[in-house]
Amino acid sequence: SAVISQKPSRDICQRGTSLTIQCQVDSQVTMMFWYRQQPGQSLTLIATANQGSEATYESGFVIDKFPISRPNLTFSTLTVSNMSPEDSSIYLCSGSGTNEQFFGPGTRLTVL
Amino acid sequence: GDSVTQMEGPVTLSEEAFLTINCTYTATGYPSLFWYVQYPGEGLQLLLKATKADDKGSNKGFEATYRKETTSFHLEKGSVQVSDSAVYFCALSDSVAGGGADGLTFGKGTHLIIQP
Repeated sequence: SAVISQKPSRDICQRGTSLTIQCQVDSQVTMMFWYRQQPGQSLTLIATANQGSEATYESGFVIDKFPISRPNLTFSTLTVSNMSPEDSSIYLCSGSGTNEQFFGPGTRLTVL
Repeated sequence: GDSVTQMEGPVTLSEEAFLTINCTYTATGYPSLFWYVQYPGEGLQLLLKATKADDKGSNKGFEATYRKETTSFHLEKGSVQVSDSAVYFCALSDSVAGGGADGLTFGKGTHLIIQP
């Protein structure tokens, strides 16, 4: 199994600013994903982080708002840009092994 | 597109009661199905999974059977404990193994509360 850590664990930010969330996996994984969990809602896939190339975004999510990097097989970042209160959510990173996805503990973001 | 519907919570039961959390799905093709659990203050953990019709996933006394004819994957446990209190998420993946190239589609989650 893989252990995934995220930084920061939580943050409170002002609208109009940006926050970069880091995701570190303790072993190489094939795929990495970013999800969002809005209050009282399910987890929604934002994008697939591709190593060495542009991320693949799901419908409703765009690169200008959620730029993603994945420089190697164990690390990825998600930036939430030009934040508004509607971006207040828990952001989760996951990595896929052979048979399952492993999730990080999440980053709880509050935008004022 | 794919979707997962699970019963809304919270679900409150007494210790040793029988548990069922309903989950139905809509997907093209033959998805893999999962139950994830999130204990208080912890991250999501895979509880069990099934990758083809009639498969039964099981773990920690929990079971779920992949029913293609009813597009369901209901979670059951015969006798719940206080330590089972958590949020349970049903999910699907179009990837056969569920750990491949596709992200997961989740249900909204069911908050389970077990009282002593």
